Amino acid sequence: QQQVKQSPQSLIVQKGGISIINCAYENTAFDYFPWYQQFPGKGPALLIAIRPDVSEKKEGRFTISFNKSAKQFSLHIMDSQPGDSATYFCASQERNTGFQKLVFGTGTRLLVSP
Amino acid sequence: GAVVSQHPSRVICKSGTSVKIECRSLDFQATTMFWYRQFPKQSLMLMATSNEGSKATYEQGVEKDKFLINHASLTLSTLTVTSAHPEDSSFYICSALTDSLGDQPQHFGDGTRLSIL
Repeated sequence: QQQVKQSPQSLIVQKGGISIINCAYENTAFDYFPWYQQFPGKGPALLIAIRPDVSEKKEGRFTISFNKSAKQFSLHIMDSQPGDSATYFCASQERNTGFQKLVFGTGTRLLVSP
Repeated sequence: GAVVSQHPSRVICKSGTSVKIECRSLDFQATTMFWYRQFPKQSLMLMATSNEGSKATYEQGVEKDKFLINHASLTLSTLTVTSAHPEDSSFYICSALTDSLGDQPQHFGDGTRLSIL
């Protein structure tokens, strides 16, 4: 029940295209859903996060769509750029209970071709 | 703001050596720090959670005598891999949390690449 399933495992998108990464969770106690971006040899960096009281959050070219009933959320990268090539991890967390552990998805390797 | 620094960034040592990795929160006080392990092309696996001044909580399957964690201050946590062997070679990443509740995210360090020969 603690798993977060992420797909696809890898993704190739042309420059200017839309990259879409999906995640699904089972634990209904999760109430915080961040996305992290990781470049090779570096630690993950928070990209954008959402709480379940909203269905969408947008920051620049990055948008999270959240479907509470389906227990799914996705990251959309608009106008994808070669610099966006990285590994993306979704995560889930039970914030309201003070349970601070992040449960990470399996990761998606994104390659944006020039 | 919210910078987490890890040191060293890379270490190569012989089998049987103990290796200490430091994780520092540079511009904030971290009530809680986390240690993760990441194998190539895999996700982050939580090893343990440490709170300042108390014993670390280890995840199932992580040997606490093998991976010693000390969180002596609000800005420093250390992970010591004791008697390291080649199977301990991995990318170790720490993260820090400014408060237990609220909307502050975990801030990650840039990791330590550990290679045991």
